[in-house]
Amino acid sequence: AQKVTQAQTEISVVEKEDVTLDCVYETRDTTYYLFWYKQPPSGELVFLIRRNSFDEQNEISGRYSWNFQKSTSSFNFTITASQVVDSAVYFCALSEAGYTGANSKLTFGKGITLSVRP
Amino acid sequence: DTGVSQNPRHKITKRGQNVTFRCDPISEHNRLYWYRQTLGQGPEFLTYFQNEAQLEKSRLLSDRFSAERPKGSFSTLEIQRTEQGDSAMYLCASSLLRDSYNEQFFGPGTRLTVL
Repeated sequence: AQKVTQAQTEISVVEKEDVTLDCVYETRDTTYYLFWYKQPPSGELVFLIRRNSFDEQNEISGRYSWNFQKSTSSFNFTITASQVVDSAVYFCALSEAGYTGANSKLTFGKGITLSVRP
Repeated sequence: DTGVSQNPRHKITKRGQNVTFRCDPISEHNRLYWYRQTLGQGPEFLTYFQNEAQLEKSRLLSDRFSAERPKGSFSTLEIQRTEQGDSAMYLCASSLLRDSYNEQFFGPGTRLTVL
C-alpha cells in the first residue's frame, strides 16, 4: 500500500524567510510519481510539480525548488524568500503507475498549513 | 472557462436525504476522478473513470455511493440516505491520459453539509 507522510502540520514564517516542507512516501512499486499541490483559502487544488521515480534531478522554478531523494524516500519542497501569497495548505501526493505506465489515483498526505506573516 | 466545473458548489441536506453532484471535466479529458476531503485532511480517492468505464472504486465508497459517467463526458456522484459523516468537500479532477503523463486538474469542489 502506498502512503504519504507530511509530519509538519503547521508552519509560520515571516515574509522573506525560506521555508522547507517535508514529504516522506512509501510504495512497493519501482515506477511511481510524486506531486505537490497548493490549496489556497479559496479551496481549489493547484498543481505545482510532478516527478517520476526515474528522475531524481532537483528542480527549481522561480522561488520554488524540489529535492527528490529516493534513498530516503523524500520529496521536499522549499520556498525561497516567502511571500504572504504563499500562505496556503500544501499537499504532497503519490501515484503508482497503472497498467498504462502512467500515474493514476493520487494518495495525498495530510497537508501542511503554511502561514507567511508580513 | 475551460477548467473543471462542479455543481452545486454548496449543498446542505438533512440526514437520510439523497444528494447528487455533477462534475464537468476539461473538454476531451478521458479520465475523471472523484475524491473526498474532510476538514484538516488531504483528499482521499473515491473512484475514477476512463471514458465511460469505472475502473476503480475505493473501499471508502460504501453501497450508498454511486458514480456514473454515461457518455464519457460529465459525471455524477450520488449519495443515498446521507449520514452526518458524509459531510465533506467532494472534489472532481480530470486528466488526459497520454504517454506517461496524466496530470490531474481539480475543480473547485462541492461542499456537502449533512444536518
